[in-house]
Amino acid sequence: DQQVKQNSPSLSVQEGRISILNCDYTNSMFDYFLWYKKYPAEGPTFLISISSIKDKNEDGRFTVFLNKSAKHLSLHIVPSQPGDSAVYFCAAGSGNTGKLIFGQGTTLQVKP
Amino acid sequence: EAQVTQNPRYLITVTGKKLTVTCSQNMNHEYMSWYRQDPGLGLRQIYYSMNVEVTDKGDVPEGYKVSRKEKRNFPLILESPSPNQTSLYFCASSLFGRREDTQYFGPGTRLTVL
Repeated sequence: DQQVKQNSPSLSVQEGRISILNCDYTNSMFDYFLWYKKYPAEGPTFLISISSIKDKNEDGRFTVFLNKSAKHLSLHIVPSQPGDSAVYFCAAGSGNTGKLIFGQGTTLQVKP
Repeated sequence: EAQVTQNPRYLITVTGKKLTVTCSQNMNHEYMSWYRQDPGLGLRQIYYSMNVEVTDKGDVPEGYKVSRKEKRNFPLILESPSPNQTSLYFCASSLFGRREDTQYFGPGTRLTVL
């Protein structure tokens, strides 16, 4: 049973436009959420996180929104750049064990 | 340079032949973890370690062993590999394993079991 789901395997966006990546979760115990970015032949790298006590966190071009009632989070990239083309994983955690549950990933392609 | 290293990066082996994938970090992190990435399933945690001599099962531990004898190393052992263990493996580490501690990932090891 997939507790964290990214239902869009891929997304294509024009350079300069907004990219919106979505993630749904089922476990109401999750209280910390993260996004990781992965380039081919590299390991994932941390992008941005949000605690369940917030509904928005911003870091430069990247903003994560959390809707707890809908058990949904999204990552907005504005403006999108070709270098943002990568696989994006959302992840969720609870408690303080460092254990993370990852989604399946969404491949973002930003076209010049 | 702060990093997590894994060896080998690529490995093709046959069913039943024991193998070890090494993982090492130079950041003095207490927490280390192994994941496997499979199409349509994302990253799934195999084992993790909160500190030296402390290891625990993740979501998919069957067929794997780990050890944590030193803080910097966290090898993943497949005693008798099977084709369903063909996957892309990532080692990761973080300072204390708290949820706010960033996990740093290694470059990955692509394993094929024939």
